[in-house]
Amino acid sequence: NAGVTQTPKFQVLKTGQSMTLQCAQDMNHEYMSWYRQDPGMGLRLIHYSVGAGITDQGEVPNGYNVSRSTTEDFPLRLLSAAPSQTSVYFCASSSPILYEQYFGPGTRLTVT
Amino acid sequence: SQQGEEDPQALSIQEGENATMNCSYKTSINNLQWYRQNSGRGLVHLILIRSNEREKHSGRLRVTLDTSKKSSSLLITASRAADTASYFCATDGNKLTFGGGTRVLVKP
Repeated sequence: NAGVTQTPKFQVLKTGQSMTLQCAQDMNHEYMSWYRQDPGMGLRLIHYSVGAGITDQGEVPNGYNVSRSTTEDFPLRLLSAAPSQTSVYFCASSSPILYEQYFGPGTRLTVT
Repeated sequence: SQQGEEDPQALSIQEGENATMNCSYKTSINNLQWYRQNSGRGLVHLILIRSNEREKHSGRLRVTLDTSKKSSSLLITASRAADTASYFCATDGNKLTFGGGTRVLVKP
């Protein structure tokens, strides 16, 4: 199993550009989440999904969209990038029973 | 706002010593988890303790939970250089709320 994969690993955007961060998992987990981590801080939940076709907002959803058309994939879209979105983004998945979350390696995003 | 807050923010110990860090949270929980993050990497799950449990062990890790004080502690015994990392507590279930973490440096 590859676990949770994220692409790209690094990305530089200009203010106003849009892009999609990709996340995929091969563990058949129902739950998937997106977090951002700013320097020296913990993770903050952006959006999450409890299953295909179902998404909901987390703590800091503004400026981001998600969709969940399949169990495996959970892309995060930045609509119009802003310097405040410079961060490291982590995708995670878990089963609703075990709760243990499996994290991807992260995408380091810089917005200039 | 963050649900969990770790204390201390940073900890420096010698290899072989024990490392203890604490987590406080604000609202009632169903479970609490501890994660480790090595520099520049994703988080790795260490241990989960449910609200009806008081203590749990996993290898060199010991976690306690005091729901009356809304606090948890993580003890790493006989620390190794490889334990150098940031440690986070997180509540609750699949929609986790993380604290700011404790940065642990284990000096050889």
